[in-house]
Amino acid sequence: GQSLEQPSEVTAVEGAIVQINCTYQTSGFYGLSWYQQHDGGAPTFLSYNALDGLEETGRFSSFLSRSDSYGYLLLQELQMKDSASYFCAVSLNYGGATNKLIFGTGTLLAVQP
Amino acid sequence: DGGITQSPKYLFRKEGQNVTLSCEQNLNHDAMYWYRQDPGQGLRLIYYSQIVNDFQKGDIAEGYSVSREKKESFPLTVTSAQKNPTAFYLCASSAARTGVEKLFFGSGTQLSVL
Repeated sequence: GQSLEQPSEVTAVEGAIVQINCTYQTSGFYGLSWYQQHDGGAPTFLSYNALDGLEETGRFSSFLSRSDSYGYLLLQELQMKDSASYFCAVSLNYGGATNKLIFGTGTLLAVQP
Repeated sequence: DGGITQSPKYLFRKEGQNVTLSCEQNLNHDAMYWYRQDPGQGLRLIYYSQIVNDFQKGDIAEGYSVSREKKESFPLTVTSAQKNPTAFYLCASSAARTGVEKLFFGSGTQLSVL
């Protein structure tokens, strides 16, 4: 079966750096993406990694190691508005015939002043 | 503005009743998805469609049905066979049919049982 694991909660202070890890066990792996969801809202796309390495987008960076089935989201210069749930998601592709995105259970990030 | 529109925002279902959640997109995306989210949990895939007139079951399709008669529309019906329908339902779309990189989500429908 498919499984993704990420911590359920993380707490950090404003201005700090926080890393949210994600490990996965899947077949047909195509890429790893990250989404942010504020309470009661819709998830919004943050980043996507198909190849090993680090992708940087402003204060957010995402890393992937395909050989370790592992990735992380790095949030720098934390702001209060970053308090939200963060989901890793695995893109699955079975030779082009089937294509879908499976989500982890989410990490609730609480940023404290 | 391009985007995904879900309606209604809140929906109440009586016992034994079927209800339909609407999802419309004007992004010209090929692929569309339905996810269910329970409180404090992740998103679970119900159904997805990569092209008009074709769709596949996700991980929790039992008690749900969909149709994809138009590229812009992907309605979800929660049937009376779904015994625990209370959840937040999210519709999404993506431009790519393969190797989904980025999903665009609607604002969701909260379904509750009376």
